[in-house]
Formats: sequence, structure tokens, C-alpha cells
Amino acid sequence: ETGVTQTPRHLVMGMTNKKSLKCEQHLGHNAMYWYKQSAKKPLELMFVYNFKEQTENNSVPSRFSPECPNSSHLFLHLHTLQPEDSALYLCASSFYNSPLHFGNGTRLTVT
Amino acid sequence: SQKIEQNSEALNIQEGKTATLTCNYTNYSPAYLQWYRQDPGRGPVFLLLIRENEKEKRKERLKVTFDTTLKQSLFHITASQPADSATYLCAPNTGGFKTIFGAGTRLFVKA
Repeated sequence: ETGVTQTPRHLVMGMTNKKSLKCEQHLGHNAMYWYKQSAKKPLELMFVYNFKEQTENNSVPSRFSPECPNSSHLFLHLHTLQPEDSALYLCASSFYNSPLHFGNGTRLTVT
Repeated sequence: SQKIEQNSEALNIQEGKTATLTCNYTNYSPAYLQWYRQDPGRGPVFLLLIRENEKEKRKERLKVTFDTTLKQSLFHITASQPADSATYLCAPNTGGFKTIFGAGTRLFVKA
């Protein structure tokens, strides 16, 4: 149990589907993050929220839409994805810029 | 642009030996540097943080060094065990919420 819970663990979706990834943290942290991890590539920072306000958007395509309703919950809404978007999507949280606590990710496959 | 380099080839060592992993960075000056461990199918787990004014940090069998002149950090695992087999990620950080990771080095410890 990492204190950061991601659902679902696995997701298969077609290119025309709409789905959402969910992340919840029980650590009292103020910052939440989305990272993408593709095979043989470094973790790519996608979005950062601090106290519900977005502070980073790393030139992510608009087919990925984040939502942070409060400091404990983070969503990633997905629509009209491409096969190259298949990856492990990791959520993390932190207390200010202290070390990150990661969830175990959602393995996404786009068919 | 900022660049982080870790040995892309896997490191194979015998149980009981010391594993040494390297992290080099260019084009920025991190205020601190973090090391994480990642097991297959799971999110990274924070191990150690070393600040720019610290030369060395230890935690149990782990030791990290930070040379801001060479722009390099070394991560050592002494008396290595098969359970230490994992991918190790470094993350030099300039402060703020933008934590960027290296691609990681895969470590295999043989019994």
C-alpha cells in the first residue's frame, strides 16, 4: 500500500472511446502529478497540480484532459487516443517539492 | 536543453558485491538529487535525497554521492542481494514541482 491509489490498474480502449483514470492520495499532500512511462523511455511529466491549481502542463496533447477537484483526487480524462499513447500512466503526490509518492499506475492499451 | 544520463545497459553483479550506478546531468544546476527504485509493473519508490551542499548521504546499505563540479551522482548498494534487483532512477531537481527523471539503470543481482 503506497498511500496513492490508482484505478483501474489495466485499461484497454479503442481510439474513439472516452475513458478516465482516477488517482486518490491519503497522505495529506498538496501537490499531485501525472507521469507517462513508455517502454525504454524516461518518465515524462505531464501535469502538476498544487492545491488544485495546475502549475505545469508539459505540452501535452489536448486529447489528455486533467481534472483536480481537490488536493486528494486527480483524474485524467482520455478521448480519441492514438496507439502511441499506450503506456503506463503514473500518478504521484508530494508535500510541496519533497520526494514523490507514486501509485502503481494504470497500464493503458489503445487499440 | 536539460539532459539526464544513466547507464542504459543493465548492470549484472554477484550477490555480496557492491553495485555502483551513475547519473550524469547537463545544462542545469540542481539544488538536490533524488534516487528512486522501480520494480516491474509498479510505481517508483523514493530511496534517498542529497542536497547540493552535501557530498555524501547514507541509509543502511545505500550510499549516494553528489559532485556538482562533475555534474554527477553515484549510487552504491553494498553487500548486494537478489532482492535489490530492480531499476534505479535518478532525478536531479532545481526546486519547484518539476521533477524530471533519468531513464534508469536495470540492476540484476545473481545469487
